[in-house]
Amino acid sequence: EAGVTQFPSHSVIEKGQTVTLRCDPISGHDNLYWYRRVMGKEIKFLLHFVKESKQDESGMPNNRFLAERTGGTYSTLKVQPAELEDSGVYFCASSQGRTGDGNEQFFGPGTRLTVL
Amino acid sequence: GNSVTQMEGPVTLSEEAFLTINCTYTATGYPSLFWYVQYPGEGLQLLLKATKADDKGSNKGFEATYRKETTSFHLEKGSVQVSDSAVYFCALRAWGKAGGTSYGKLTFGQGTILTVHP
Repeated sequence: EAGVTQFPSHSVIEKGQTVTLRCDPISGHDNLYWYRRVMGKEIKFLLHFVKESKQDESGMPNNRFLAERTGGTYSTLKVQPAELEDSGVYFCASSQGRTGDGNEQFFGPGTRLTVL
Repeated sequence: GNSVTQMEGPVTLSEEAFLTINCTYTATGYPSLFWYVQYPGEGLQLLLKATKADDKGSNKGFEATYRKETTSFHLEKGSVQVSDSAVYFCALRAWGKAGGTSYGKLTFGQGTILTVHP
């Protein structure tokens, strides 16, 4: 079974440009999470989808970030316009069913975003 | 709010040395606690977990005990190997409920880089 995949693995863009990150969760996983790690600091929660609905977007830093999950399958995270402080590694994770203790979050390899 | 504090790294050890990575947390209620590991070029993998006080999580020779009285979840391994070189993250999952739905988001520490030399 394929794991969580993310695309691209790396992205280098200029300040002010737009970037779209994609996450494909494990098939059948209703829960999808976005996290990011900035400058070697802690990994921070961004938002949580259950199927196509946003359950919790309390971690989204500002309105330059837009996340979608079309049809409850893959998800995209768009940053527009990108700023220098957006540089970091963006992780996606997915889990089955309700988020009980038995439902492990499986992480993708991350997308490293560099804004110049 | 919830938070996790890990010991500062990086940690450099010789093979077969004893490893401790300290982790303390602040949370309301009774969180579940986790250690994740990120090997070079890979995503985060769950290493072990504990869901209630005094539980001990263990996997691949690593252990951590949920200590409610000290709000700690320190990671230990008796004899590290070169293949254990990775970044280790302590995390918690505390349950927030709104409208009857639990969200399950993870709160992470800053990560500890471990390098093991032959």
